[in-house]
Amino acid sequence: KNQVEQSPQSLIILEGKNCTLQCNYTVSPFSNLRWYKQDTGRGPVSLTIMTFSENTKSNGRYTATLDADTKQSSLHITASQLSDSASYICVVSPDNNTNAGKSTFGDGTTLTVKP
Amino acid sequence: DTGVSQNPRHKITKRGQNVTFRCDPISEHNRLYWYRQTLGQGPEFLTYFQNEAQLEKSRLLSDRFSAERPKGSFSTLEIQRTEQGDSAMYLCASSGERGHNIQYFGAGTRLSVL
Repeated sequence: KNQVEQSPQSLIILEGKNCTLQCNYTVSPFSNLRWYKQDTGRGPVSLTIMTFSENTKSNGRYTATLDADTKQSSLHITASQLSDSASYICVVSPDNNTNAGKSTFGDGTTLTVKP
Repeated sequence: DTGVSQNPRHKITKRGQNVTFRCDPISEHNRLYWYRQTLGQGPEFLTYFQNEAQLEKSRLLSDRFSAERPKGSFSTLEIQRTEQGDSAMYLCASSGERGHNIQYFGAGTRLSVL
């Protein structure tokens, strides 16, 4: 069964600090991995998308890395801000244009940034 | 606003009642998705439309659930004879010609079944 495991489940950090969120997956074959940010009561917003050939992708203070051999990805947040408080969801898809339902969502890491 | 729009944002209903949610995707997007999300969980896929054709349905979509996209633009998700277990956030997303990768989500409809 395809699975996406995220860790930690929740994380509390002080404003200005860095943090790293983890995503391990067993999806195979693998096409792409996406990180989403979901504010409370809102829909997910895409942060990064990586294919199996990409090792790193940045979006401002967010940097995602991917190791397709070990099937691990991380999302690093630099100089955290209060507005970074949200749930961060990892999504892995086996292909691009077929099987929309085969994308597997992780349960997310809830990040709280405190002043 | 050119994003994905969902209405209503919140719905409170009594068990056994029918409810209908609406999703207006980004206008040029031909693909539309419905997901269900419960607290502390990631979104679970329900169904997918390409234009007006419903191409995929999850086993989660029981016979009490029906989704339509009659003109290939907006979509509705109806739940008949609601149960307390249907309480969740229902998310709609749309994507364009770049496939399923770039999905833009709406803010969701939160359903509470009393």
